[in-house]
Amino acid sequence: GQNIDQPTEMTATEGAIVQINCTYQTSGFNGLFWYQQHAGEAPTFLSYNVLDGLEEKGRFSSFLSRSKGYSYLLLKELQMKDSASYLCAVLNSGYALNFGKGTSLLVTP
Amino acid sequence: GAVVSQHPSWVICKSGTSVKIECRSLDFQATTMFWYRQFPKQSLMLMATSNEGSKATYEQGVEKDKFLINHASLTLSTLTVTSAHPEDSSFYICSACEREPYEQYFGPGTRLTVT
Repeated sequence: GQNIDQPTEMTATEGAIVQINCTYQTSGFNGLFWYQQHAGEAPTFLSYNVLDGLEEKGRFSSFLSRSKGYSYLLLKELQMKDSASYLCAVLNSGYALNFGKGTSLLVTP
Repeated sequence: GAVVSQHPSWVICKSGTSVKIECRSLDFQATTMFWYRQFPKQSLMLMATSNEGSKATYEQGVEKDKFLINHASLTLSTLTVTSAHPEDSSFYICSACEREPYEQYFGPGTRLTVT
């Protein structure tokens, strides 16, 4: 079966750093994605990890540990526009994406 | 970059009618397309995987006779919700792969409301 867990909600202050964790247990693994989704819109791609380690892309970084079934998304220098839902998704053995329930991030002034 | 469109963006239909949603890859050929459904405040749930020229593979719990998927060409897949009911009201999103399966591009979504 597929089990992808991430916190439901998080709140952080503008300019701060926030880390969103994701743990997974899936049948097959071909990589882990992080997406950002604003209400009523389709997800937009943030990062893709298939090997262990940290991938950095501007203010956003993503980390993967395959042995632990664990990933996190790190957002630095938070901006108000970063308020959104962040989805962790695993590409399974059939190359379909299995999504977690998403973490709703609220950035406050 | 790769662009995926969906049509319509939103649709309201009466209970018992059928609705067709189109997913198009505009500037690339998509060997595989995926259909997802998202209920309010929930995450995306994969409904089916569609490969050009072959039958779609449905996820467990998704009725293939109710959600008809046709992937007739490398740039078009359609999802038809047959005999729609209010509980089918949802946000339907497609994605398409060009080459590598990890390069999925999402369409903007279609909001379906069944009255």
